[in-house]
Amino acid sequence: GAGVSQSPRYKVAKRGQDVALRCDPISGHVSLFWYQQALGQGPEFLTYFQNEAQLDKSGLPSDRFFAERPEGSVSTLKIQRTQQEDSAVYLCASSAGATSGNTIYFGEGSWLTVV
Amino acid sequence: AQSVTQPDIHITVSEGASLELRCNYSYGATPYLFWYVQSPGQGLQLLLKYFSGDTLVQGIKGFEAEFKRSQSSFNLRKPSVHWSDAAEYFCAVGPPFGGTASKLTFGTGTRLQVTL
Repeated sequence: GAGVSQSPRYKVAKRGQDVALRCDPISGHVSLFWYQQALGQGPEFLTYFQNEAQLDKSGLPSDRFFAERPEGSVSTLKIQRTQQEDSAVYLCASSAGATSGNTIYFGEGSWLTVV
Repeated sequence: AQSVTQPDIHITVSEGASLELRCNYSYGATPYLFWYVQSPGQGLQLLLKYFSGDTLVQGIKGFEAEFKRSQSSFNLRKPSVHWSDAAEYFCAVGPPFGGTASKLTFGTGTRLQVTL
């Protein structure tokens, strides 16, 4: 597609429910990022993939958060046993190269509300 | 550890007036510096970026930013604001040129309101 596509755009989950958020990066993009943006805050880094390899997962807040990119294209962010503090916008981003300075393109985000 | 400070949470300007949004950063080396804009319900759009060269960098939509090493600042400016510029603006830092692509560190954002 022309841009980074994320689904679902909006998700309401009951506390304790598992959720899966999907990201379709721009075709051919090597690098893929996940960020979490709480209300009124800037995005905070969660994890980074270079092709299918997860090179940095230092931002994942707990072991309830898991991300994968098995074929080096589509990625899924999974949150197990959701809690209210997980309510946020989850932004996916991709870039063409594997080095810094490449323009990073963001999707519109998946808005997660945990009730 | 790297950090980004945007001291102004909310700024209101009149349409046609000039704009300056402040950004200060802390980083071990000279990082890549970015400004992104986010409209309500939308993702982030890159306005401009800087690593080296001319310290005044031009971006899209008539925005520019000036890097001042001595002040660790990267302020965003626009000579004449349009009502459509109302949005949230984020400053961010990333690894220096040639480094492995990695995380961006964002500031908390400045919300711009434009009055007619």
